[in-house]
Amino acid sequence: DGGITQSPKYLFRKEGQNVTLSCEQNLNHDAMYWYRQDPGQGLRLIYYSQIVNDFQKGDIAEGYSVSREKKESFPLTVTSAQKNPTAFYLCASTMTGAFSQPQHFGDGTRLSIL
Amino acid sequence: GENVEQHPSTLSVQEGDSAVIKCTYSDSASNYFPWYKQELGKGPQLIIDIRSNVGEKKDQRIAVTLNKTAKHFSLHITETQPEDSAVYFCAASNSGNQFYFGTGTSLTVIP
Repeated sequence: DGGITQSPKYLFRKEGQNVTLSCEQNLNHDAMYWYRQDPGQGLRLIYYSQIVNDFQKGDIAEGYSVSREKKESFPLTVTSAQKNPTAFYLCASTMTGAFSQPQHFGDGTRLSIL
Repeated sequence: GENVEQHPSTLSVQEGDSAVIKCTYSDSASNYFPWYKQELGKGPQLIIDIRSNVGEKKDQRIAVTLNKTAKHFSLHITETQPEDSAVYFCAASNSGNQFYFGTGTSLTVIP
């Protein structure tokens, strides 16, 4: 079945540690996104990529980094510079084209600090 | 940039009643409006969408209406069932492959 796979489902970060969240899609979508979800704040865009080897900052990129070396993969690193990383992280993808298409979401990674 | 506002933040209805969630947007260039349902611990799932060349779209118990002049769109769920209980998000997009989300509505259907 086609879809988006996020791993791990739960992740714990120690002080000063970088952690990487995985996102893989087999939908052959060009565009991929990372969102952060906090209670009562909806989905806030961290980074997005519309093509391999290219990505753009979203509204809350500080303390995060990404790479897009393969079309199907868009990992997110939460660095030690992100002082409040506890949140639910969602990865999404969509086809690109003249008209917007629905985003498909993974089932998220819940990150907590120890 | 685009600003999407969503109301109410919480909504409780009796089973069998209707539920309505409303969103407004600010950018007149937005032309695609999806609605997502998110269950606890899961990612959002698309339930219905509408493009700016259409005023209304219906899929069984779910309908969406769009008023481009007033820049608002609404989700209507009829004959609600307990399994409709979830968080619902509206979004707006302007063909630039960027999506702007509302803050969500937590719907509870009381049996």
